[in-house]
Amino acid sequence: AQSVTQLDSHVSVSEGTPVLLRCNYSSSYSPSLFWYVQHPNKGLQLLLKYTSAATLVKGINGFEAEFKKSETSFHLTKPSAHMSDAAEYFCVVSARGFQKLVFGTGTRLLVSP
Amino acid sequence: DAGVIQSPRHEVTEMGQEVTLRCKPISGHNSLFWYRQTMMRGLELLIYFNNNVPIDDSGMPEDRFSAKMPNASFSTLKIQPSEPRDSAVYFCASSLRDSAGELFFGEGSRLTVL
Repeated sequence: AQSVTQLDSHVSVSEGTPVLLRCNYSSSYSPSLFWYVQHPNKGLQLLLKYTSAATLVKGINGFEAEFKKSETSFHLTKPSAHMSDAAEYFCVVSARGFQKLVFGTGTRLLVSP
Repeated sequence: DAGVIQSPRHEVTEMGQEVTLRCKPISGHNSLFWYRQTMMRGLELLIYFNNNVPIDDSGMPEDRFSAKMPNASFSTLKIQPSEPRDSAVYFCASSLRDSAGELFFGEGSRLTVL
């Protein structure tokens, strides 16, 4: 079985400061891991994905995540937050090659001027 | 290119009424998913199709829910009869079968059952 735990329900940062959204995963199989973003009243958009290649994955809008098997983590980072980054972020896991995704509970990122 | 299109965007209905949500996936995508999002339960997969065939409907809450995909460009999710606990945002997403996990979501249908 697969599961993800997003360690923070809310994260608040100031514009221009780094962003860290934490995610731990559990998987009985080699996992695929994803981060999705949801802006208010919108659908979800894929930010980045890890399948089996490089452990440091770069995504859109300057986000990146690092797969750490020893820590079972897949934290999302960005060097400098922008106001437009304010949204809900979901960490997602699946068994590699499988279509069923398991979503975390989400982390709401708040960005203040 | 057009993304995933869902209709209606908002639906308010009374308990006991039939509700039909519609989805048009991205052209060329061969997998389609229906998700439900609530504050209490987060995002739940209801059902998904590959090449118009339902593959896994284990997330469908009960017999009041049904989903169809009569062709590659259209799917419906029907609730009959509706209940207040069905109030949620329902998302449709599509993908290429070989790109497991890379879903393209519609903007959702917000359902309120009074």
